[in-house]
Amino acid sequence: AQTVTQSQPEMSVQEAETVTLSCTYDTSENNYYLFWYKQPPSRQMILVIRQEAYKQQNATENRFSVNFQKAAKSFSLKISDSQLGDTAMYFCAFMNPSGKLIFGQGTTLQVKP
Amino acid sequence: NAGVTQTPKFQVLKTGQSMTLQCAQDMNHEYMSWYRQDPGMGLRLIHYSVGAGITDQGEVPNGYNVSRSTTEDFPLRLLSAAPSQTSVYFCASSYSVAGVQYFGPGTRLTVT
Repeated sequence: AQTVTQSQPEMSVQEAETVTLSCTYDTSENNYYLFWYKQPPSRQMILVIRQEAYKQQNATENRFSVNFQKAAKSFSLKISDSQLGDTAMYFCAFMNPSGKLIFGQGTTLQVKP
Repeated sequence: NAGVTQTPKFQVLKTGQSMTLQCAQDMNHEYMSWYRQDPGMGLRLIHYSVGAGITDQGEVPNGYNVSRSTTEDFPLRLLSAAPSQTSVYFCASSYSVAGVQYFGPGTRLTVT
């Protein structure tokens, strides 16, 4: 069975600095997809970034980028120039080719002014 | 587009009662899914559907039924509510299986 592990329950960062959230997963699949979702206090789930396993290039979306290490089954999220609006719970998620999406336990990120 | 809508936003049930959580999307998305979110456990997949007439089980399907008679709607039925089903429920949809999933605002369910 696939599992997703986020080993950092809580993190904090000063505004304008960079922070990296960790995620590891376990699977025997070769083709799959990885996601980072953000959940602010409003509870709305918002997609941050998406990575296809067959692509070696790391995905980037503005201030957000990932470090995808397929052999190590690692998928970390880097947030550059952190903003107060980045304060939220962040979830790493794994999707297999049949569509099952498995989430990690989440990391609460606090951006301090 | 209204996106993904869920009703109701809040619900309180007594143990043993049944109810249906509604989910609808107007984006012509083929893929729809239901999750529950419990404190400290992230989101867990209950059931999902890759198209009208097709459903499959996720991680935690026991106690829940789904059907997909139309592309737009994907209701989640609780047959006999139990306190363990107290949770926040999210519905999501995407154009394809690996596409960007759009989430509804959630339904907070309490079973007493």
